[in-house]
Amino acid sequence: EPEVTQTPSHQVTQMGQEVILRCVPISNHLYFYWYRQILGQKVEFLVSFYNNEISEKSEIFDDQFSVERPDGSNFTLKIRSTKLEDSAMYFCASSDQGGPYEQYFGPGTRLTVT
Amino acid sequence: KQEVTQIPAALSVPEGENLVLNCSFTDSAIYNLQWFRQDPGKGLTSLLLIQSSQREQTSGRLNASLDKSSGRSTLYIAASQPGDSATYLCAVNFQGAQKLVFGQGTRLTINP
Repeated sequence: EPEVTQTPSHQVTQMGQEVILRCVPISNHLYFYWYRQILGQKVEFLVSFYNNEISEKSEIFDDQFSVERPDGSNFTLKIRSTKLEDSAMYFCASSDQGGPYEQYFGPGTRLTVT
Repeated sequence: KQEVTQIPAALSVPEGENLVLNCSFTDSAIYNLQWFRQDPGKGLTSLLLIQSSQREQTSGRLNASLDKSSGRSTLYIAASQPGDSATYLCAVNFQGAQKLVFGQGTRLTINP
């Protein structure tokens, strides 16, 4: 069964460093998403991406964040200058359409900023 | 503001009991509602998806119901087992948006 994959599973970085989190969505899906979950808190939406542009973003997704689909299979989340409060589990998801279509989640990348 | 709330935050029951987890949401205009399971430190496993036109969905020992008019969903787990111990998350896709809005989860412990 097709699944969303994410790499790395765990990344440790120092405050102020740039990180890139990688995702491979399900191959025929058109919509891609990033969510994050700070330890002990709710899962929060960051951004959705369709047709090579951001289709929706939350107030969390500020200028520090960017997303890209650099080729036909990968979808990346970049954090330019990490802060301690960026430490969280980051989940990638994809769906074959927007709106009422099911979102399929990857296993997550745990980001630890020291 | 579109919000999702889950009560209780934690639940502990003996093995074999049937149980119900609750989810409420603030706006009845939804596309769908998903229930997820999350084990400690792990990812999200989708359990059931209910479209707005549906009243319930079943998968094995799990049954999820949806009442849009009252803004409620329940997840019923029959004959609970220790392996069901996890956090259960409810997430709503409200109309007009692409994002899922998550509840804070119910941490379920099944005691042998």
